[in-house]
Amino acid sequence: AQSVAQPEDQVNVAEGNPLTVKCTYSVSGNPYLFWYVQYPNRGLQFLLKYITGDNLVKGSYGFEAEFNKSQTSFHLKKPSALVSDSALYFCAVSGPTMDSSYKLIFGSGTRLLVRP
Amino acid sequence: GAVVSQHPSRVICKSGTSVKIECRSLDFQATTMFWYRQFPKQSLMLMATSNEGSKATYEQGVEKDKFLINHASLTLSTLTVTSAHPEDSSFYICSGEDGDTIYFGEGSWLTVV
Repeated sequence: AQSVAQPEDQVNVAEGNPLTVKCTYSVSGNPYLFWYVQYPNRGLQFLLKYITGDNLVKGSYGFEAEFNKSQTSFHLKKPSALVSDSALYFCAVSGPTMDSSYKLIFGSGTRLLVRP
Repeated sequence: GAVVSQHPSRVICKSGTSVKIECRSLDFQATTMFWYRQFPKQSLMLMATSNEGSKATYEQGVEKDKFLINHASLTLSTLTVTSAHPEDSSFYICSGEDGDTIYFGEGSWLTVV
């Protein structure tokens, strides 16, 4: 069964410092990996995805993530954090199902708090 | 990215009544849409997969007679919470599949009083 783990409930960083939000996955076959961000009382916004190709994926708002097959990880990173990056971040995994749709399985979420 | 619109964003209904939430893909056609439920400070729980022109596929433990899903067109899926009870109060989020990426609506807060 597919699963994804986000080991940190919260990550605290100072503005201007690099940030990392961790994600590990378990899936049979090749994974489709995603990061989404959720601001309070809002839906989820797509940040980036890894389907195939380069292990380093660049996404919206300066975020990037590195796919590491040997460690089954897909950590989200940003070189310089902004206070406005404070939000809830979800890692998700999926793969094509029998009817070719994609069913996302989400991690528990990590709250990122960037202090001024 | 693609845009998914949800309506209403907030709704309050009386216990025992039914309420409908709409999910529209505005700039793409979504053969498949998904409905999630999110409790405060928790992750998203997939409720069902909505397929255009066919019956929805419900996840284990989700009552299909309580949470009616209709996907009548390639741009519209609806979730109707029937005979709502206070424990149905939650944040409901829909999403649509555009290629290999799933885009989410802004969510709908349901409060049953």
